[in-house]
Amino acid sequence: NAGVMQNPRHLVRRRGQEARLRCSPMKGHSHVYWYRQLPEEGLKFMVYLQKENIIDESGMPKERFSAEFPKEGPSILRIQQVVRGDSAAYFCASSPGQEAYEQYFGPGTRLTVT
Amino acid sequence: AQKITQTQPGMFVQEKEAVTLDCTYDTSDPSYGLFWYKQPSSGEMIFLIYQGSYDQQNATEGRYSLNFQKARKSANLVISASQLGDSAMYFCAMREVARPGANNLFFGTGTRLTVIP
Repeated sequence: NAGVMQNPRHLVRRRGQEARLRCSPMKGHSHVYWYRQLPEEGLKFMVYLQKENIIDESGMPKERFSAEFPKEGPSILRIQQVVRGDSAAYFCASSPGQEAYEQYFGPGTRLTVT
Repeated sequence: AQKITQTQPGMFVQEKEAVTLDCTYDTSDPSYGLFWYKQPSSGEMIFLIYQGSYDQQNATEGRYSLNFQKARKSANLVISASQLGDSAMYFCAMREVARPGANNLFFGTGTRLTVIP
């Protein structure tokens, strides 16, 4: 019973490049959440998606960041024209439904911008 | 205002002793959930324990228990019989159930627990 999968686990990008982070939720889960953890800080909510819908993107930066969760395939968090301040750990979590209280986290993707 | 406050950046505990990690929260929603997660040095987030705002009894999961004091808005984590493997960052988090369409967790800044042999 595979848990939440994220890839890549580590990603290095130069300033100005694009970063694509992937998240496959647990089997049977249709709700995905993305969180960002800056060094020595707690996780901060970015976006909440269901299949083909963005439900809450109140934590997403207004520019350069986008997320999708297509009907088929993983959820993608895309960061365009990365800057040094984007260096962080990005966690994906999934849950089976809005009423479910627990969110299961993936191992995270550590993005380093050089 | 911070939704979750963890005032202890670091804590030390002797192996086999109990330790309490503090967490206070701020919400006006009548219905909410409180969580504790463990983050070892490997970086993954491990769910430990959950307490619903309407739960009558304090949650317990093995060596973990949650000391829920609703009037004081506190949800402290108690780890009994500490083990070396408990050394990690611990995060308190909250979900506000009543907010329509919102399902995200608010996290505190964490407490780094070190278990001393």
